[in-house]
Amino acid sequence: ETGVTQTPRHLVMGMTNKKSLKCEQHLGHNAMYWYKQSAKKPLELMFVYNFKEQTENNSVPSRFSPECPNSSHLFLHLHTLQPEDSALYLCASSQGETAYNEQFFGPGTRLTVL
Amino acid sequence: QKEVEQNSGPLSVPEGAIASLNCTYSDRGSQSFFWYRQYSGKSPELIMFIYSNGDKEDGRFTAQLNKASQYVSLLIRDSQPSDSATYLCAVKTDSNYQLIWGAGTKLIIKP
Repeated sequence: ETGVTQTPRHLVMGMTNKKSLKCEQHLGHNAMYWYKQSAKKPLELMFVYNFKEQTENNSVPSRFSPECPNSSHLFLHLHTLQPEDSALYLCASSQGETAYNEQFFGPGTRLTVL
Repeated sequence: QKEVEQNSGPLSVPEGAIASLNCTYSDRGSQSFFWYRQYSGKSPELIMFIYSNGDKEDGRFTAQLNKASQYVSLLIRDSQPSDSATYLCAVKTDSNYQLIWGAGTKLIIKP
């Protein structure tokens, strides 16, 4: 669990708030990912960064804004969220974006939007 | 639409028995296959990965891949109560290397 860290672990915010989620990986990986996990549903890939460049944005609403200043850090900026955005947000990293590199997850941020 | 299907369960297995978890996938171009374990309230943890047809063993865990039939399975021998968790199957295709996830199978090991 210490290879990928996420803060905060829990977040409650109102629909008009602005907050940011932070992820840091200590594994020397080059690719980082944001996922959303809702109950009883498959993990939804939100964003992918490979060598700090965004390579994927899976039709995510603009109220979610990612930032990747370097290969070790990833942020998810949140603003004017909706109650249906309440979920577990997971950060992951991998050696690279190839067919064979496994992804390692952080502990997640449990987000509740009131 | 590329899909990965898993029975949601719960699958109840007595302690000491073999637990068998199955996963099917739709994209024949899939190249690599991963099993993750997720305890309630925790994040997914990688258990095993498999790339080639056949079996791959790691301790009490065996992954089985059959590309012709498009399924991958995970066997857990000598099941322990600590194996109770949700098991997620994930598949990578050769198109964009992103993981396609199943919704998971909840496994309960009964003492």
